[in-house]
Amino acid sequence: AQTVTQSQPEMSVQEAETVTLSCTYDTSENNYYLFWYKQPPSRQMILVIRQEAYKQQNATENRFSVNFQKAAKSFSLKISDSQLGDTAMYFCAFMSPHGSGNTGKLIFGQGTTLQVKP
Amino acid sequence: NAGVTQTPKFQVLKTGQSMTLQCAQDMNHEYMSWYRQDPGMGLRLIHYSVGAGITDQGEVPNGYNVSRSTTEDFPLRLLSAAPSQTSVYFCASSWWQGNEKLFFGSGTQLSVL
Repeated sequence: AQTVTQSQPEMSVQEAETVTLSCTYDTSENNYYLFWYKQPPSRQMILVIRQEAYKQQNATENRFSVNFQKAAKSFSLKISDSQLGDTAMYFCAFMSPHGSGNTGKLIFGQGTTLQVKP
Repeated sequence: NAGVTQTPKFQVLKTGQSMTLQCAQDMNHEYMSWYRQDPGMGLRLIHYSVGAGITDQGEVPNGYNVSRSTTEDFPLRLLSAAPSQTSVYFCASSWWQGNEKLFFGSGTQLSVL
């Protein structure tokens, strides 16, 4: 069974600095999707970035980028130029692709609470 | 286009009471699902549906019941609420099962006393 582990329950960073959130996962599949979701105090689940395992190039979305290490089963999120609005809980998640018999289920890590300090 | 709408946003129940969490989407999505979020455990799948009339269990289905009579609606029923069901509940939908673009509702905070 697939598992996702986020080993940092809480992190903090100064505004304008860079922070990296860690995520490791376990799977025997070769193709899959990995995600980072942001959950601000409003509770809304917001997709930050998505990576397809067959793509070697790391995904980027503005100030957010990932370091995807497939062999090491590692998927970290880097936030550059941190802003106060980045304060939130961040979840790493895994999904098997369509057609592999999966349920469409997202498997989530435990979450990392990020505090951006002024 | 409202997306995924969940009601209510907050609810307090007494042990043994029943209630239904509502979820509706207006995007003609085939796939709908329910997750619960607990501290230190992330989100876990409760039940899911791949189309009207078809439902199946997820990772933590005990104590919950679902049905899917229309494409738009996927209600989650608690028949006899227990304190262990205190959680935040999310509904999520996508165009088909396994599609990686999931749309989440805004969540329901449920407390069972």
